[in-house]
Amino acid sequence: NAGVTQTPKFQVLKTGQSMTLQCAQDMNHEYMSWYRQDPGMGLRLIHYSVGAGITDQGEVPNGYNVSRSTTEDFPLRLLSAAPSQTSVYFCASSLGQANTEAFFGQGTRLTVV
Amino acid sequence: GENVEQHPSTLSVQEGDSAVIKCTYSDSASNYFPWYKQELGKRPQLIIDIRSNVGEKKDQRIAVTLNKTAKHFSLHITETQPEDSAVYFCAASIMGGYNKLIFGAGTRLAVHP
Repeated sequence: NAGVTQTPKFQVLKTGQSMTLQCAQDMNHEYMSWYRQDPGMGLRLIHYSVGAGITDQGEVPNGYNVSRSTTEDFPLRLLSAAPSQTSVYFCASSLGQANTEAFFGQGTRLTVV
Repeated sequence: GENVEQHPSTLSVQEGDSAVIKCTYSDSASNYFPWYKQELGKRPQLIIDIRSNVGEKKDQRIAVTLNKTAKHFSLHITETQPEDSAVYFCAASIMGGYNKLIFGAGTRLAVHP
């Protein structure tokens, strides 16, 4: 099993550009989420999904969109990139019951110039 | 919503000493408290977790304690080794079964030989 796979690993965007960060898991996990990691601020929840067709906002959702058309995939879209979105982004998935381990992808380092 | 505070932000110990990291949470309904370790440039990985019906849990050199009344939980690492050097994150799960993890800001632990 590959686990949780994120692409790309690195990305540089110009202000105003849009892009999609891809996340796929092959563990048949119901729950998937996106976090951003900034120095001194830990991991902050952007959006999450409890199953195909169901998404909800986390702590810092502004500027990001998500969709969950399949159990396996949970892409994160940046609509109009801003320098404040420079960060490391992690996708995570968990089994689908309360209180189970979250498995993280390898991360995407995004720089917006 | 849930808020998790983590202290200290940095911790430096000598090899063989013990290390303690403390977290507090705000939502008394939280019932799952995992700890993640993130080595430099890598993804966070679960090292231990505790549920609200348990006061303490051990796994070899690491242990976690939970005080539900005070809304505190702590990570204890004994006989520290250089390979314990990493950033450690605590987290709390909001009730509702959605495993929506809210993380603390992280503690950078340095173990010096």
